[in-house]
Amino acid sequence: EPEVTQTPSHQVTQMGQEVILRCVPISNHLYFYWYRQILGQKVEFLVSFYNNEISEKSEIFDDQFSVERPDGSNFTLKIRSTKLEDSAMYFCASSDPDREIGTGELFFGEGSRLTVL
Amino acid sequence: SQQGEEDPQALSIQEGENATMNCSYKTSINNLQWYRQNSGRGLVHLILIRSNEREKHSGRLRVTLDTSKKSSSLLITASRAADTASYFCATDASPSSYKLIFGSGTRLLVRP
Repeated sequence: EPEVTQTPSHQVTQMGQEVILRCVPISNHLYFYWYRQILGQKVEFLVSFYNNEISEKSEIFDDQFSVERPDGSNFTLKIRSTKLEDSAMYFCASSDPDREIGTGELFFGEGSRLTVL
Repeated sequence: SQQGEEDPQALSIQEGENATMNCSYKTSINNLQWYRQNSGRGLVHLILIRSNEREKHSGRLRVTLDTSKKSSSLLITASRAADTASYFCATDASPSSYKLIFGSGTRLLVRP
């Protein structure tokens, strides 16, 4: 069964450093997403990506964040100048929306746990 | 925000009992979905109910949707210890936007 894969599973970084989280979405999906979950809290939408550009982003997704699809398979989230409050689990997801079903089911990766010291 | 709250925040039941979780939301939706998350893992889709549906079943899961009250419930019947997880509802406001907004979740503990 196709799945979304994420690397690394856990990253520890010093405050102020840059971090890149990587994801391989399901190959025939068209929409890609990043969500964030601070420990024990709700899953928050960061950004959606379609046709090689950002489709929508939340207030959390400020200039510190960027996304990229550098090749035909990878989808990355870059966090510049990390802060303590960026410590969270970051989930990548993909979906194949259509007009009838809408967004449809999101397929999530297992997450990348980011710890900023 | 598009999403409201889920209640209860935490639920502890005995194996074999039924578990009911509720979700409220604020805006018009295309569909509503429920996801499960085991501790420290990714979210897994359970069931989708469209805005023109009132009830849907999948195995031991029963979902209801009341668009007039902007609320949904997830019932897990004959619970098992393996059902221990967090459960989240998520609303889909497509086609105005292709994304899901998640609720705050219910932590379910099923005691053996």
